[in-house]
Amino acid sequence: DVKVTQSSRYLVKRTGEKVFLECVQDMDHENMFWYRQDPGLGLRLIYFSYDVKMKEKGDIPEGYSVSREKKERFSLILESASTNQTSMYLCASSPLAPSGNTIYFGEGSWLTVV
Amino acid sequence: EDQVTQSPEALRLQEGESSSLNCSYTVSGLRGLFWYRQDPGKGPEFLFTLYSAGEEKEKERLKATLTKKESFLHITAPKPEDSATYLCAVQAFGDKIIFGKGTRLHILP
Repeated sequence: DVKVTQSSRYLVKRTGEKVFLECVQDMDHENMFWYRQDPGLGLRLIYFSYDVKMKEKGDIPEGYSVSREKKERFSLILESASTNQTSMYLCASSPLAPSGNTIYFGEGSWLTVV
Repeated sequence: EDQVTQSPEALRLQEGESSSLNCSYTVSGLRGLFWYRQDPGKGPEFLFTLYSAGEEKEKERLKATLTKKESFLHITAPKPEDSATYLCAVQAFGDKIIFGKGTRLHILP
């Protein structure tokens, strides 16, 4: 089974703090993603990466950065957390395939910024 | 503009009452359509991938079908444990994946 592991399930951080969300996948997938999910807004793509050290902006990259130093690991960084970044963050991975690339998600990280 | 719309937004059924969830899409070339189940507070769990019109896939009480404009997730004789939010996503040529906002399904015992 595909396993995408997010290091923290629940975090509470103060405004202005730097926040790291870590994600590891064990299926040797090329693609990795960070989404946030908010009620009424659905899933929104923050950043994705299709290879080590490569990154692409998604739909809402402002206030976030990412790092992919190893194929299996993709980190999301909030440089200076703000209250409007309180959300559920989902990491995902998918293989590089000629047909549709099924995305597999982690369990999610609930971040509260106070 | 590429778009994925799920309906209804919410659905309440009695245990054993079969029904269908709809996912309609407008994309410039379909590479794949995906269904996920999401329980409260958890990440989406992959259910099915469909690639071409006419394709069907089944898993327990769930059956997914695909046409050129929409997909249905049929739920036969549902049980309370089938209560969840069901998400549909579409991958277009160019690799962008677009998610619908989901259907919240509640099965009453």
